[in-house]
Amino acid sequence: AQTVTQSQPEMSVQEAETVTLSCTYDTSESDYYLFWYKQPPSRQMILVIRQEAYKQQNATENRFSVNFQKAAKSFSLKISDSQLGDAAMYFCAYRSSTSGTYKYIFGTGTRLKVLA
Amino acid sequence: NAGVTQTPKFQVLKTGQSMTLQCAQDMNHEYMSWYRQDPGMGLRLIHYSVGAGITDQGEVPNGYNVSRSTTEDFPLRLLSAAPSQTSVYFCASRKQPGTSVYEQYFGPGTRLTVT
Repeated sequence: AQTVTQSQPEMSVQEAETVTLSCTYDTSESDYYLFWYKQPPSRQMILVIRQEAYKQQNATENRFSVNFQKAAKSFSLKISDSQLGDAAMYFCAYRSSTSGTYKYIFGTGTRLKVLA
Repeated sequence: NAGVTQTPKFQVLKTGQSMTLQCAQDMNHEYMSWYRQDPGMGLRLIHYSVGAGITDQGEVPNGYNVSRSTTEDFPLRLLSAAPSQTSVYFCASRKQPGTSVYEQYFGPGTRLTVT
């Protein structure tokens, strides 16, 4: 069975600085998808970025980028130029690419605090 | 589009009571699911549906029932509420994937407290 591990329960970053959130996963599959979700105090789950495992190029979305290391089964999220609005819980998630697969496996989350 | 809607936003139940959490989506998504979120546990899948009339169990299905009579609606029923079911519940939906990745859309959540 697949597992997703986020070993940092809480992280802090100074406004305008860069922070990296860690995520490791375990799977025997060769093709899959990885996601980072943001959950602000409003509780709404917001997709931040996604990565297809067959793509070697790391995904980027504005100030958000990932460092995808397939062999190491590592999928970290880098937030550049941190803003107060980035303060939230961040969840890493895995989904198989097998057709008809629906189940997402979520990590336990990392709470990010942004200091003014 | 309203996206994924959930009602109620907050609910307090007494042990043994039953209730239904409502979820609806207006995006014609085939896949819908229910998660519960507990502190330090992330999101765990309760039940999911791949289309009207088809449901299946997720990781933590005990104590919950679902049905999917229409594409739009996917209610979650608590048969006899227990304090262990105190949690935040999220409904989510997405289109049936072919070879592409489709974003999963989440509802705003329902905070349930069982006393």
